[in-house]
This record gives sequence, structure tokens and C-alpha cells, in this order.
Amino acid sequence: KNEVEQSPQNLTAQEGEFITINCSYSVGISALHWLQQHPGGGIVSLFMLSSGKKKHGRLIATINIQEKHSSLHITASHPRDSAVYICAVGLNAGGTSYGKLTFGQGTILTVHP
Amino acid sequence: DAGVIQSPRHEVTEMGQEVTLRCKPISGHDYLFWYRQTMMRGLELLIYFNNNVPIDDSGMPEDRFSAKMPNASFSTLKIQPSEPRDSAVYFCASSLGSSGVYNEQFFGPGTRLTVL
Repeated sequence: KNEVEQSPQNLTAQEGEFITINCSYSVGISALHWLQQHPGGGIVSLFMLSSGKKKHGRLIATINIQEKHSSLHITASHPRDSAVYICAVGLNAGGTSYGKLTFGQGTILTVHP
Repeated sequence: DAGVIQSPRHEVTEMGQEVTLRCKPISGHDYLFWYRQTMMRGLELLIYFNNNVPIDDSGMPEDRFSAKMPNASFSTLKIQPSEPRDSAVYFCASSLGSSGVYNEQFFGPGTRLTVL
């Protein structure tokens, strides 16, 4: 079983819909990252969370440490949101663990006009 | 700032050849990461450096892979000899670090490697 599981693997939506992508992990973590990878291949960091909730424009990320679960929400989705969304966790593994991100398999989002 | 710079952007080589991938991190960042992305395995951390010192290379697949960071503004990932299964996109990322994993990583555009 992977340490980081994302769902769904593929998601298709119509423009304007509310979208939720989920990420579950099985170990203690220091922080969780949400990344976006566009069709051209570039990777951009969207959020980094260790607790609570963060919002940036139409994107909202939440994390529940007790339940080992995070969600990425997109409100009023747009075709330009079409991308692969990747969840990554930094594991609790001691002082030298900085940087050891473990990645989910990604969620492919397609938003149709 | 120009962001993280990687070269070449595309590399096609034949099995057995040496391949060198290059990375220039964002100025002032003290952590540098090398990742590999394949369809089968997704993104994987290969190695990371802090202040030019390799901290964890447990993700390096085998002895054919080596990475160096001779100074704060340059790193290389070398594969010798290359094999077809090394075909992947290799990303370099950098961040401004602290004692935890709380810092955003900035990714380069990647190098798409094809080994024939």
C-alpha cells in the first residue's frame, strides 16, 4: 500500500463546477504539499500545510492531521484548471528528514467549457 | 529571479552513453533536490543537498547514478552508463530551508531524457 493515496485518479468536470481532490496518508507527517503540473510538464507548488486551511484565489486546501487526510477544492472551475494535481507529504522521521517528500500518484483533472 | 534553471531540456542518447543533467537553483536557496518522474512510478526523490552537502541519496536507483553540487549555484546529475529504463523526466527543485519540511519547493522545467 502506498504511503500517500489520492482520489480520484481521473476527474472530469464542466466549467463552473466545484471540484474536490482527496489525499490520504498512512504515516505521521511534518507538512503536506499540493502541487500542480500542467500539460507542458512544469510543476508549481500551490500550498503547503501543516494544519487547518489555506486559500488562494479559487483554490482551498484543508488538512485534518488526526484523520491523516487533506482535500484540495477548486471553486468555479475553469478549463485552465485542467492539470495534474499531486499531493506530497514530508514524513516525520527525525532531524535529517527535511526534504524527503513522498508523492501521491496524482489526479488528472479535465475541465470542459 | 529566473527561477530554477535546468539544461538540457531534452536529451536523446543511446544506451551505454554518459548523460549529464545540470541545474542552477534559485539564488540564496540552500536546499537542492533531484527528482525523477515516470508514468509507472510517478515522482520520486533521488537525492537532496543542503548547503552543497548531500544529505540523503537513498533514492538514487543504483551506482550508475551520481550527483554533485560543487557550489551553491550549480548541481549535476550524471548517469553512466545510461540504460533505456532511465528514460524519464528529471526535475531539479530548490528551497530556502529551516529545521523542518515547511518550506515551498520551486521546481525547474525538467529534462526529458530518452535512452534508446
